[in-house]
Formats: sequence, C-alpha cells, structure tokens
Amino acid sequence: AQSVAQPEDQVNVAEGNPLTVKCTYSVSGNPYLFWYVQYPNRGLQFLLKYITGDNLVKGSYGFEAEFNKSQTSFHLKKPSALVSDSALYFCAVRPYTGGFKTIFGAGTRLFVKA
Amino acid sequence: DTEVTQTPKHLVMGMTNKKSLKCEQHMGHRAMYWYKQKAKKPPELMFVYSYEKLSINESVPSRFSPECPNSSLLNLHLHALQPEDSALYLCASSQSGLQLSPQETQYFGPGTRLLVL
Repeated sequence: AQSVAQPEDQVNVAEGNPLTVKCTYSVSGNPYLFWYVQYPNRGLQFLLKYITGDNLVKGSYGFEAEFNKSQTSFHLKKPSALVSDSALYFCAVRPYTGGFKTIFGAGTRLFVKA
Repeated sequence: DTEVTQTPKHLVMGMTNKKSLKCEQHMGHRAMYWYKQKAKKPPELMFVYSYEKLSINESVPSRFSPECPNSSLLNLHLHALQPEDSALYLCASSQSGLQLSPQETQYFGPGTRLLVL
C-alpha cells in the first residue's frame, strides 16, 4: 500500500536557523513526491516536487527537499527560517501507475520563533 | 495564471438549508477535484471530475452533490448537512483529464470554510 509518514506533529525552530521537516514514504515503483504548504485558513500551495533526476530539488520561497531512495525519505529543508514560514506542511505521494489520487501525510506544523 | 478561485470564503448554514460552493479555474485544466479538510488534518478526496464527467466519488453522502457545468467551473451543492460536515472545502485542478499523471501538480483554491449549525 502507498503511504506517507510525517513523524513530527510539530517542529519548532528559531528564526535564522536551518529547518527540516521530515517525510518518509512507502510506494511501489518510482516515487513521485510533493511538498505543499498551508497557511491558516488558506488552501494548499505547491512548494516543490521530485519526479526524477537530481536528488536535491529546489522549490518556492527558498525551500528545497532531498530525495533519499535508500532511506525512502523526502525531507523538506530551508537554510534560514523566517517567521513567515510558520505554517502547516504536507508531504504527498502520487502512485506510480497514475490515477487521480494523491496520498497526503498527516501534516507537520512549523513554528518559527523570532 | 495558476489560480483557482472559490466562493464564498465563509459559509454558515443550518441543517435544513440548501447552499452551493463554487470553484473556477481558467488554466485549461480538464480535471477538477473537491476535497474536505478538517482542522489540522490532511485533505480528504471527495470527488473528481474528468472532462466534465464524474470520475471518482469517494463514497460521499448524497447530501453533497457535485456538478461540473463546463470545463472551468465546479460546484458543490449542499443540502441537509450535519454539524460534522463543518470543514474547509478545497477545490483543486490539474492539467490532465483522463487520469492524473504522476508528475503533475494539483493547484488548490483557498477553500470555503463551512460551518453547519
């Protein structure tokens, strides 16, 4: 079964420090992985995705994610956190065979303290 | 333009009311989705329309009735809802209509926050 795990409900980081939001996945075949961010009372905004190629994917707002096949992980990172990065982050996986379903992780709430 | 718009932003309705949520996109996308999201939870897929035809219904109660009048519009008609239906309702779209290609991005609207009293 395809699944996504975000092991941390919440991540706290000080402004200016690097941040990591963790995601691990379980899929058959090649994984297609996504990160979305959701600000309070808003819809999901696409940040970045891994399809194939370079393991380091760069996305919006200075975020990047590293695909690690051996560890089946796709952690979201940013070198220097901003208070405005505080939001809910969702990792998602798309089945290799296609279809309309996107499998979302439970979400990780990021708090960046000034 | 990568925008999906949803109206209204907020909706309060009684259990006997009939209301509708509206979603619109002008990106030429042929797949459109309704998701339901409870607080601090991931979105849950409700319906998928592909080329204006209902492709997926995730066993959603009949008090929710989707409609896709054209390729740019998606409605969700609400009738006799229950308080537990209170949630953020998200619309999304993606380019492919026949099926969601694995590398495709879904674009989400800002959502309608629904409160059922």
